[in-house]
Amino acid sequence: RKEVEQDPGPFNVPEGATVAFNCTYSNSASQSFFWYRQDCRKEPKLLMSVYSSGNEDGRFTAQLNRASQYISLLIRDSKLSDSATYLCQSGGYQKVTFGTGTKLQVIP
Amino acid sequence: DAGITQSPRHKVTETGTPVTLRCHQTENHRYMYWYRQDPGHGLRLIHYSYGVKDTDKGEVSDGYSVSRSKTEDFLLTLESATSSQTSVYFCAISGTERSGTSGMGTDTQYFGPGTRLTVL
Repeated sequence: RKEVEQDPGPFNVPEGATVAFNCTYSNSASQSFFWYRQDCRKEPKLLMSVYSSGNEDGRFTAQLNRASQYISLLIRDSKLSDSATYLCQSGGYQKVTFGTGTKLQVIP
Repeated sequence: DAGITQSPRHKVTETGTPVTLRCHQTENHRYMYWYRQDPGHGLRLIHYSYGVKDTDKGEVSDGYSVSRSKTEDFLLTLESATSSQTSVYFCAISGTERSGTSGMGTDTQYFGPGTRLTVL
């Protein structure tokens, strides 16, 4: 089993829809979690950190569920510009693992 | 944006030739990483460094070596390139003594623009 697993998608959603991605992790000792956005043929860029208490940034909400060992990313009111691949990161420093990414396509 | 550059950005080489990729940072971050990204596999860690001359293996280190003689430079070498090493290579940095400066966290990864390597 991979340490971090994501549904690869693609998720095809209409503009204005709400979409949620999950990322499960196997290392219960992980303390750090993040979501990244990667555009086609570009490097991943930090989207947001995931805190135990949840984290919201505009239309984006990230949450951590330690009991079930997953993190989630919720995107409300999807825009065409949200089309990208979203990767999750578990751990940091010497123990960093990424999911394979979930592709989102927002349709007009 | 974090000051990370990679060179070359694109390279085509032949099987059996040595290849060196360079990652350069201007952020004085302690940790540096090399990843490869392939369809269906996502980002996989090759090697990482936690200081000058301090390096360790990642998930897919076979066929790769690294060196870090200065804080700002992290080199990835393919001693004898194979077609299975055709990939996109990303360098990343993480961790700083100046946590909070410029909004940079300590566990987050900041990536370079990538190097597209094709081994024929």
